Amino acid sequence: GNSVTQMEGPVTLSEEAFLTINCTYTATGYPSLFWYVQYPGEGLQLLLKATKADDKGSNKGFEATYRKETTSFHLEKGSVQVSDSAVYFCALRDNNAGNMLTFGGGTRLMVKP
Amino acid sequence: DTGVSQDPRHKITKRGQNVTFRCDPISEHNRLYWYRQTLGQGPEFLTYFQNEAQLEKSRLLSDRFSAERPKGSFSTLEIQRTEQGDSAMYLCASSPRRQREIYYEQYFGPGTRLTVT
Repeated sequence: GNSVTQMEGPVTLSEEAFLTINCTYTATGYPSLFWYVQYPGEGLQLLLKATKADDKGSNKGFEATYRKETTSFHLEKGSVQVSDSAVYFCALRDNNAGNMLTFGGGTRLMVKP
Repeated sequence: DTGVSQDPRHKITKRGQNVTFRCDPISEHNRLYWYRQTLGQGPEFLTYFQNEAQLEKSRLLSDRFSAERPKGSFSTLEIQRTEQGDSAMYLCASSPRRQREIYYEQYFGPGTRLTVT
């Protein structure tokens, strides 16, 4: 079956530090990949997506590249801000199995001023 | 711009009671999804509807769980004979259907937090 594994948190960084949150996946076929973010007290929001190998998704300074050879979709940001503190979820959608999303366990990011 | 709404936001119930949650999707979104999120975990897919048709329900956790979307608009998720293990956040999401697009972004509601005592 499909699965997503992401690094456990919490990840604690100082403002302006470089961020990497690792995500690897197992899937049959060729999934689409996503990063969702959940700010405190809010619902899940789509952060970025990539639908095929070598695609790079980007939004709000965050980037992730779909690497089929390593089955990875690591999230990066060059300079984090306090406002980036949230829980980040990596997810996949198996394009051959409807539209349901399979999520990783989430990584809490805490950015200190 | 109204997003996905869920009601109630919090529900505390005693073990063995039945509970029902409501989800109102974004207007004109014809797909609606239910997920469950336990503490410290990612959301887990339960079921989804396209209009009023329930297209996938094999992931519902047991026969105590059921969902409906009778008119293709709002949906309800019911849990009968609740157990302490049902304590979780229940999330609803909706997405539009556009022709010639493979992916339809899912927009999530704030969730209903269920506590079974």
